[in-house]
Amino acid sequence: GQNIDQPTEMTATEGAIVQINCTYQTSGFNGLFWYQQHAGEAPTFLSYNVLDGLEEKGRFSSFLSRSKGYSYLLLKELQMKDSASYLCAVRDGDYKLSFGAGTTVTVRA
Amino acid sequence: IAGITQAPTSQILAAGRRMTLRCTQDMRHNAMYWYRQDLGLGLRLIHYSNTAGTTGKGEVPDGYSVSRANTDDFPLTLASAVPSQTSVYFCASSRTGEDTQYFGPGTRLTVL
Repeated sequence: GQNIDQPTEMTATEGAIVQINCTYQTSGFNGLFWYQQHAGEAPTFLSYNVLDGLEEKGRFSSFLSRSKGYSYLLLKELQMKDSASYLCAVRDGDYKLSFGAGTTVTVRA
Repeated sequence: IAGITQAPTSQILAAGRRMTLRCTQDMRHNAMYWYRQDLGLGLRLIHYSNTAGTTGKGEVPDGYSVSRANTDDFPLTLASAVPSQTSVYFCASSRTGEDTQYFGPGTRLTVL
């Protein structure tokens, strides 16, 4: 089984930066995903890391350290529309995804 | 418009009733998945199918069954619904079992 931990809630101000951490313990590893989920909607794919390092995609960046079982999602220049839940998901040796419970980010004006 | 559709959007069901949640994708993805999402628990895999004609059990398969008669459709059946199956159900698909998964809009199911 998998054990994936991320903070329950975070609050930040519009225009600021927020970092959402995710730690994991897995049996086999084939990549880590971040999804964004607005209330009442489906999760949408944000980023994928399989090698150590930083992947940048516009205002969003994701980092992975496989040796530490650690990832973070960095959201820069926060906008009100970034208020959502952010889901960390780890793909195991059988290519199945296990999800953390999600981090709810609230952006305030 | 290409994507994944789910039906119904929401449903209230009496305990003991049979219910089938429908999922259809038009992206010609080989792999499809069913998850349930409960507050504080995140998404949990119920069943999956890596290709038409094959299915497998996920983390929480008890009380659910699936079939994959063709590439596009992946229905989830609750043979005899119980209140603990109250949840939001998401269907997802990926080009293969090794690719990024994309999610449908979800079905909110309440079992009374």
